[in-house]
Amino acid sequence: DAGVIQSPRHEVTEMGQEVTLRCKPISGHDYLFWYRQTMMRGLELLIYFNNNVPIDDSGMPEDRFSAKMPNASFSTLKIQPSEPRDSAVYFCASGTSGALRNEQFFGPGTRLTVL
Amino acid sequence: GENVEQHPSTLSVQEGDSAVIKCTYSDSASNYFPWYKQELGKRPQLIIDIRSNVGEKKDQRIAVTLNKTAKHFSLHITETQPEDSAVYFCAARNSGGYQKVTFGTGTKLQVIP
Repeated sequence: DAGVIQSPRHEVTEMGQEVTLRCKPISGHDYLFWYRQTMMRGLELLIYFNNNVPIDDSGMPEDRFSAKMPNASFSTLKIQPSEPRDSAVYFCASGTSGALRNEQFFGPGTRLTVL
Repeated sequence: GENVEQHPSTLSVQEGDSAVIKCTYSDSASNYFPWYKQELGKRPQLIIDIRSNVGEKKDQRIAVTLNKTAKHFSLHITETQPEDSAVYFCAARNSGGYQKVTFGTGTKLQVIP
C-alpha cells in the first residue's frame, strides 16, 4: 500500500484565491482526518469523517473552509477565499476502527503559502 | 472537550542520557494515549501507545507510563541517540467508537552528540 496520498505537496497562492487540497486515504480505512499544523497552534484537528460522513467539524476555523468526502477513496479540503493566516502544513490522516491499534496514518502533508 | 497539556516545549539532552516528556489530560473518560514522533519536514508517526487499563508499556528504549488518578502520562526515552531528535506529540482519545484524539502542543527534543 502506498500509504495516505496528498496533493499537491506544495501550494503557493495569492490572497483571495481558492485552494483545494486533496487526499486519498489508505484502502480499507473508514476514518479520515484533516489537520492543520503551525508553529503557533501545533497540530489542530479541523474535521474528521467516518464512512464518508462528517462526524465533527468543530475545528474548522471559518466558513471559508469546507471539506468533502464523496467516496471512500477521496477527500478534499477547500479554502475560499484564502488568506495569509491560512499558511500552514495541512495533513490528511486515515485510520480504521477494525485495528487492534488505533493508529492514525498521516500523509506527507501539503505546505500551503498564501501571499 | 479534552484538553492536553505537554511539557517541556523543548528539551536538549546529551547522547546516551534519558529524556522524559510529560502530558496531562482533562477528561477522565479518556482511555487511549498515543505518542507520535515527527522528524523535521516529515509526517507524524505513531511510536507507542497505552490504554487506560495499563500503567506502563515498554518498547525497546521507549516507555510510557500512565497515572489515571492524576490524569497524566509520560514518555521516557533511554540511551538517547541523535536519531531520536524530533518533535514528540502526546495525545488522548475519549472512550467510545470515535477515533478523534486531541494532541498536545509538542516537545522538540534535541540529542546532542
